Amino acid sequence: KNEVEQSPQNLTAQEGEFITINCSYSVGISALHWLQQHPGGGIVSLFMLSSGKKKHGRLIATINIQEKHSSLHITASHPRDSAVYICAVSRAPGRGSQGNLIFGKGTKLSVKP
Amino acid sequence: NAGVTQTPKFRILKIGQSMTLQCTQDMNHNYMYWYRQDPGMGLKLIYYSVGAGITDKGEVPNGYNVSRSTTEDFPLRLELAAPSQTSVYFCASSYLFDGSVEYEQYFGPGTRLTVT
Repeated sequence: KNEVEQSPQNLTAQEGEFITINCSYSVGISALHWLQQHPGGGIVSLFMLSSGKKKHGRLIATINIQEKHSSLHITASHPRDSAVYICAVSRAPGRGSQGNLIFGKGTKLSVKP
Repeated sequence: NAGVTQTPKFRILKIGQSMTLQCTQDMNHNYMYWYRQDPGMGLKLIYYSVGAGITDKGEVPNGYNVSRSTTEDFPLRLELAAPSQTSVYFCASSYLFDGSVEYEQYFGPGTRLTVT
C-alpha cells in the first residue's frame, strides 16, 4: 500500500463547479504539501500545511492530523484550473530525512467550459 | 530571481552513453533534490543534499551519481544509460532551518530524457 493515496485519480468537472481532491497518508508527518503540475510539465507549490486550513484565492486546503487526511478544494472552477494536483508529505523528525517528500500519484483534473 | 533552472530540457541518449543533468538555484536554499517522474507514478527521490559537500541517497539512486560543490549547483550524473532511466527528471530546492523547520519546495522545469 502506498504511503500517500489520492482520490480520485481522474476528475472531470464543468466550469463553475466546486471541486474536492482528497489525500490520505499512513506515516507520521511534519507537513503536507499540495502541488500543481501544468499540462506543460512544470510543478508549483500551492500549499504547505501542518494543521488547520489555508486559503489562496479560490483554493482552500485543509488537514486533519488525527485522521491523517487532507483535502484540496477549488471553488468556482475554471478551465485554467485543469492540471494534475499532487499531494506530498514530509516525514516527521526522527523518521527519516526531514524535508524529503513522499508523493501521491496525482489527480488529473479537467474543467470543461 | 530565476529560481531553479535545469538544462537540458530534452535529451535522447543511446544505451551505454553518459550525461550530466544540470541544476542551479539562486535562492540560497540549503536543501536540493533530484526526482524522477514516470507515467502513472508519483515522483520518486533519487538523491538529495542538505548543503554543499553533503549528499545522500533517496529511494531510487541506482545508476545515478551527484555532487554538491557549491550551494547553487547540484548536477545529476547518469553513467551507462539504460532504457529504465527514460523518465522526466525534476530538480528542486528548499530551505530548512536547523534541519527541522521546512519551507515549500521550488521545482525546476524538468528534463525529459529518452534512452534508446
